[in-house]
Amino acid sequence: AQSVTQLGSHVSVSEGALVLLRCNYSSSVPPYLFWYVQYPNQGLQLLLKYTSAATLVKGINGFEAEFKKSETSFHLTKPSAHMSDAAEYFCAVMHGSSNTGKLIFGQGTTLQVKP
Amino acid sequence: DAGVIQSPRHEVTEMGQEVTLRCKPISGHNSLFWYRQTMMRGLELLIYFNNNVPIDDSGMPEDRFSAKMPNASFSTLKIQPSEPRDSAVYFCASGWTQYFGPGTRLTVL
Repeated sequence: AQSVTQLGSHVSVSEGALVLLRCNYSSSVPPYLFWYVQYPNQGLQLLLKYTSAATLVKGINGFEAEFKKSETSFHLTKPSAHMSDAAEYFCAVMHGSSNTGKLIFGQGTTLQVKP
Repeated sequence: DAGVIQSPRHEVTEMGQEVTLRCKPISGHNSLFWYRQTMMRGLELLIYFNNNVPIDDSGMPEDRFSAKMPNASFSTLKIQPSEPRDSAVYFCASGWTQYFGPGTRLTVL
């Protein structure tokens, strides 16, 4: 069965600093992996996805993530944090085959950006 | 496209009342998902449909919850009777990469 673990429920960085949000997955099949962002009082928005093409995936708002099979990781990074990046971030793995569309979400990481 | 549309955005009701949440997915999307989000339990998948057919309802908490998708452009999630522990934000999402709606904040008094 697939699962994801997000390390750290809260991450705090200074504006301009590197953002690193950690996600490790468990999957018995080649995984499809996703990162979503949720701003207050809104639904989740797709940041980026890995679907077995390039291992370095670029997303919106300057975020990117690297798929590392040897480490079973899919960490999210951004070189320089902005105040507007403060939100909750969810990592997800697609359940079973790629046709199901069912996602297994992590518990989320709240990113705080300090001025 | 207007995105995924959910109504109402906020619902306050009393315990024992019936609640119906509505969702209009993005046109052309074959799959639709209902989620519930609370501080305690995080984001939970309740049920999802593919081509209007329920595929997996294992997340539906109990018989008080039911969901329908009578056509490709409309789905409902019904709770009857509602209980205070059902208070949460309910999201609908459509499509393979799951475009989320803005959610319905349900408060059961």
